[in-house]
Amino acid sequence: EVQLVESGGGLVQAGGSLRLSCAASGLTLQNYWMGWVRQAPGKGLEWVANIKKDGSEKNYVDSVKGRFTISRDNAENSLYLQMNSLKAEDTAVYYCARYIMMAVMFDAFDIWGQGTAVTVSS
Amino acid sequence: DIQMTQSPSSLSASVGDRVTITCRASRSISNYLNWYQQKPGKAPKLLIYAASTLQTGVPSRFSGSGSGTDFTLTITSLQPEDFATYHCQQSLNSFPTFGQGTKVEIK
Repeated sequence: EVQLVESGGGLVQAGGSLRLSCAASGLTLQNYWMGWVRQAPGKGLEWVANIKKDGSEKNYVDSVKGRFTISRDNAENSLYLQMNSLKAEDTAVYYCARYIMMAVMFDAFDIWGQGTAVTVSS
Repeated sequence: DIQMTQSPSSLSASVGDRVTITCRASRSISNYLNWYQQKPGKAPKLLIYAASTLQTGVPSRFSGSGSGTDFTLTITSLQPEDFATYHCQQSLNSFPTFGQGTKVEIK
């Protein structure tokens, strides 16, 4: 069964750090772009970051640039999100997702984890 | 950044109804548009990519259309399992953005 499982969420004070992990089973992450998407309580989805297959390209939403770092360990078949200088507005459920080319030039998030909740107290 | 705006934010409908949700991009995205369904407490599920192509296993009552800046998701004959929140997402570049979501509730 293809599965992504996030971990590492929790309660942290503003200014603190957390490292989220996403472990894959049933698929080989090194073949795909991967991303993190978050959802604040009662809000819509917000793309946070993505990373190329070999880790050579990383992109971030402006609100997390300089604070969050996406990385991957293809040997461990895992994806990570290091979150520093956390703010109350970073409170959300964080999902890892595969960003795959569904058709030539057309990408979409087709496999999602169950999410891990991050709460930043101010 | 490309902003995505969905309308309405929520709607009430009955089983069997035809439902249409609109998504507008702040600039042309050709047909680089995806739709997702999300049920409470669950991860989103990909429904449609490239504006109109159904993901494998998605029922044919779902359809997508549009190009440029204006897109629609249509559900013909709404089923009980379709009550959920629907999100659009542009994939024109390496900085994907989502709409704010449309919640489809039972009337």
